[in-house]
Amino acid sequence: SPELTQPPSVSVSPGQTAKITCSGDALTNQFSFWHQQKPGQAPVLVIFKDTERPSGIPERFSGSSSGTTVTLTISGVQAEDEADYYCQSADTSGPYVLFGGGTKLTV
Amino acid sequence: HVQLVESGGGVVQPGGSLRLSCAASGFSFSTYGMHWVRQAPGKGLEWVAVISYDANNKYYAESVEGRFTISRDNSKNTLFLQMNSLRPEDTAVYYCAKRIAVDLWGIDYWGQGILVSVSS
Repeated sequence: SPELTQPPSVSVSPGQTAKITCSGDALTNQFSFWHQQKPGQAPVLVIFKDTERPSGIPERFSGSSSGTTVTLTISGVQAEDEADYYCQSADTSGPYVLFGGGTKLTV
Repeated sequence: HVQLVESGGGVVQPGGSLRLSCAASGFSFSTYGMHWVRQAPGKGLEWVAVISYDANNKYYAESVEGRFTISRDNSKNTLFLQMNSLRPEDTAVYYCAKRIAVDLWGIDYWGQGILVSVSS
């Protein structure tokens, strides 16, 4: 069945750049969305339609897409960015909405 | 601002039923599709179901197909998830979430979540 693959963990020092990848065939014809989830909290959308940033999300968050891989980039990582990050996309042949397994970002 | 507030969770025995509700405010509820997404303890996000703005289209994850039913009442700005034949593996925090646009499957807002525990 269709799936999205993320690295389980990424670790960076404060001020560095973190890159989190998400791979899957569905990404060739469906947009990606990235959600940040801090412990004990609901997820929050940080990137939509591959590259767009919702209002209120810091400019250090950006997204890119190439073929079957999308990437969430956090430039100048801050301690408050430590969280789990999930990519989301779709497969219109079912199961319709896909989530990656999540990446734990450690700062 | 957008608010989604889930209710109806709790502890239920295997084979039992539960109905979750999600009260929506801060946006035109009747013009957006809505999702249910769950998260088992210590695990990742798992999509459960989606319903179109007019309730004419509903889709389910294989793991809940035939046991769960998504519905909505646009006159009351409320989303529902009827869960029957519950199993221990259905134990999770359940989130209602707003679909970002009619032609996109993405989510732009999440509720705070409600815990469902299936245990004898």
